[in-house]
Amino acid sequence: GENVEQHPSTLSVQEGDSAVIKCTYSDSASNYFPWYKQELGKGPQLIIDIRSNVGEKKDQRIAVTLNKTAKHFSLHITETQPEDSAVYFCAGKKGNTPLVFGKGTRLSVIA
Amino acid sequence: EAGVAQSPRYKIIEKRQSVAFWCNPISGHATLYWYQQILGQGPKLLIQFQNNGVVDDSQLPKDRFSAERLKGVDSTLKIQPAKLEDSAVYLCASSLPGGQPQHFGDGTRLSIL
Repeated sequence: GENVEQHPSTLSVQEGDSAVIKCTYSDSASNYFPWYKQELGKGPQLIIDIRSNVGEKKDQRIAVTLNKTAKHFSLHITETQPEDSAVYFCAGKKGNTPLVFGKGTRLSVIA
Repeated sequence: EAGVAQSPRYKIIEKRQSVAFWCNPISGHATLYWYQQILGQGPKLLIQFQNNGVVDDSQLPKDRFSAERLKGVDSTLKIQPAKLEDSAVYLCASSLPGGQPQHFGDGTRLSIL
């Protein structure tokens, strides 16, 4: 089945800097890749997703890139703010198979 | 629109006791999921419903876990008897059918003593 690896496990950046989180997946047939933000005591919140028919998607300060050949995708957050501090999860799936999550990245934005 | 509602938010029980969690999905979402999230890990799917039918329960420990969605709306997840390793956050998510984005509730944090 699908396996999703996520790096780094922790990331600290200065406020205003960019943050990049990377994920790799094992199943070349996977075609849907969402990113979730999870704050303490809350459930995961969908922040952006990408399907395999596009290579990049952007929403204000957040962007996701997908490289199908290399089977990896990345989350880019620009102009980071303290409220971006949270745990971020990538995930992948194909068709109606279950969503498989990475182990998460704890992002700390230092003011 | 109202999000996915879950209750209770916290539950503490002793091992070998039973426990039940409740989920009310976003209105109109036919697909409902239960996930287990162990501390420091990503959510892992336990069971997926489409309306009131089970789509995938391959990762549900059926000797102790059960779930139902009788009328195709609310769902309950039960553990009986609980083991220490069941300590986790149990998340419910819902989506429109056809691979649409999943939206999560805030979960139930279960502690087993």
